[in-house]
Amino acid sequence: SQQGEEDPQALSIQEGENATMNCSYKTSINNLQWYRQNSGRGLVHLILIRSNEREKHSGRLRVTLDTSKKSSSLLITASRAADTASYFCATAMDSWGKLQFGAGTQVVVTP
Amino acid sequence: IAGITQAPTSQILAAGRRMTLRCTQDMRHNAMYWYRQDLGLGLRLIHYSNTAGTTGKGEVPDGYSVSRANTDDFPLTLASAVPSQTSVYFCASSEGQGAGDTQYFGPGTRLTVL
Repeated sequence: SQQGEEDPQALSIQEGENATMNCSYKTSINNLQWYRQNSGRGLVHLILIRSNEREKHSGRLRVTLDTSKKSSSLLITASRAADTASYFCATAMDSWGKLQFGAGTQVVVTP
Repeated sequence: IAGITQAPTSQILAAGRRMTLRCTQDMRHNAMYWYRQDLGLGLRLIHYSNTAGTTGKGEVPDGYSVSRANTDDFPLTLASAVPSQTSVYFCASSEGQGAGDTQYFGPGTRLTVL
């Protein structure tokens, strides 16, 4: 079964709006990572947040982690058409880097 | 350009045939991974290798085998393909074996088994 589950499954917004997606997971984690996948391409790493961190920023991305609720959120501010992609959370439970991916949130940003 | 290459880009295969998906990285990363991506299921780990000469089973290893003869190459073999192996296959690598390492993905191979 999947460790991480994203919500919503799909999100449609207009350029300039913020996009928020959530990831819930089932067991304790070492870290949680977010990846982006453009249509027909491989995944690209966006940001990693460790279990002892609560919030992290990278450019227009803001990630939060609430280990008590076993959940994380990814916020994309001032979205652009180029942000159209699927976004996946991935959790690492052990020290060997075996990530478990959720099913993803498909984001469409319209001009 | 540094990165991961996969071949072929796509393939249609008859059931029962043997197929090897190729993966090569030029980043000298220690760890490599094979995932399959199916609609609605995200990515699932098939096999991994923490370093050259070692391999391990992931979440869905049945029907697949791998080898890691050197640092750069990590081929995935389907000994006798079945339709349920129709999927998009991604190879990935990371510098270290640790849980905090970023994984870098190849462009994928789209495989259809008829």
